[in-house]
Amino acid sequence: AQSVTQLGSHVSVSEGALVLLRCNYSSSVPPYLFWYVQYPNQGLQLLLKYTSAATLVKGINGFEAEFKKSETSFHLTKPSAHMSDAAEYFCAVSESKAAGNKLTFGGGTRVLVKP
Amino acid sequence: KAGVTQTPRYLIKTRGQQVTLSCSPISGHRSVSWYQQTPGQGLQFLFEYFSETQRNKGNFPGRFSGRQFSNSRSEMNVSTLELGDSALYLCASSLKSSQNINTGELFFGEGSRLTVL
Repeated sequence: AQSVTQLGSHVSVSEGALVLLRCNYSSSVPPYLFWYVQYPNQGLQLLLKYTSAATLVKGINGFEAEFKKSETSFHLTKPSAHMSDAAEYFCAVSESKAAGNKLTFGGGTRVLVKP
Repeated sequence: KAGVTQTPRYLIKTRGQQVTLSCSPISGHRSVSWYQQTPGQGLQFLFEYFSETQRNKGNFPGRFSGRQFSNSRSEMNVSTLELGDSALYLCASSLKSSQNINTGELFFGEGSRLTVL
């Protein structure tokens, strides 16, 4: 079974600084990798999705993620943090195409943006 | 287009009771998944339904059950509630292509927050 590890449960960044959130998956390459964001008292919203078409994936709100098979990583970045980026971010994998919409999530990283 | 709607948003129950949560997916979405979110265990998959059939099930006891209706609306039920069942229960809907390929892209509702006393 797939597993997902997010390094750092909390990240603090200054407004305008680089946001880097780390995600590593278990050794077998999953068909899909995702980053979701959860704002306070809300459900999750899809930021971006990797489908093997391209290793660099661009998402909404200026976020992007790079798939690195050699490092089993799918780190999320944003060049310049905005106050509105304060939220919790989850990396997720799909076991297989046959697994349908059964996703395995990482533990989440809460982002605090300082003015 | 309306999003995923979950009811009730908040509820309080006592141990031993049972609870039913409801989810209305986005119009046209036929797949509905349920997830449990807790501070200790994070986000865990409960089950997925498509066309009124359970497609996948997570590692939860039989006290957790669900169903899907012909209009794609879904309910989940938890019987004999335990303190550890206190959680945010998230429903997510997804569009399936005509080739029966799952996109894995989930649209989540705001959740039903259950507190068990």
